[in-house]
Amino acid sequence: AQKVTQAQTEISVVEKEDVTLDCVYETRDTTYYLFWYKQPPSGELVFLIRRNSFDEQNEISGRYSWNFQKSTSSFNFTITASQVVDSAVYFCALTLILTGGGNKLTFGTGTQLKVEL
Amino acid sequence: NAGVTQTPKFRVLKTGQSMTLLCAQDMNHEYMYWYRQDPGMGLRLIHYSVGEGTTAKGEVPDGYNVSRLKKQNFLLGLESAAPSQTSVYFCASSYSVVALSDTQYFGPGTRLTVL
Repeated sequence: AQKVTQAQTEISVVEKEDVTLDCVYETRDTTYYLFWYKQPPSGELVFLIRRNSFDEQNEISGRYSWNFQKSTSSFNFTITASQVVDSAVYFCALTLILTGGGNKLTFGTGTQLKVEL
Repeated sequence: NAGVTQTPKFRVLKTGQSMTLLCAQDMNHEYMYWYRQDPGMGLRLIHYSVGEGTTAKGEVPDGYNVSRLKKQNFLLGLESAAPSQTSVYFCASSYSVVALSDTQYFGPGTRLTVL
């Protein structure tokens, strides 16, 4: 069985602080992909990043960075110098191949990030 | 490109009523999915389709039916709505090259309330 745990339900920070969102996953598969999605107050789900299980290099994209550690089954997301526009719910997800094709995303329960002035 | 669109954005039903949610994508994606999002539970897969004319059950299919008559459209039906189906429904699509790495792109969601 697959499982994604986002233990932080809600995080509040002051603008310009750095913040890390934790994601821990469980899977029996040796090959898998991990994703982060952002859900702003408007409600849509926005794709942020995809990472495969063979690539443990950390990635940086502007103010965003991701730390994937297979040894601890973690895929954490850091926002540097947070801004009010970063306020959203962030979801970590893990893929599972479906019988007959396609993949299913197993989502964590999300972390609500509030960035205040 | 509009991406993934969903109709309607909001709907209120009475218990026992039926309705159909429409999802459309203009990205020529093969795979389409319906999820529901409930507070504290993340998103859960209801049904999915790997191509025109095909559908399959996800993890929470009971009470829903789907159809994929055209590649670009994926319909989700509730035959007899129940209060437990109050939720936000998201449609997603992906282009299958290597299924495991497919990125799913989501529509804006439909907020459904069943009284």
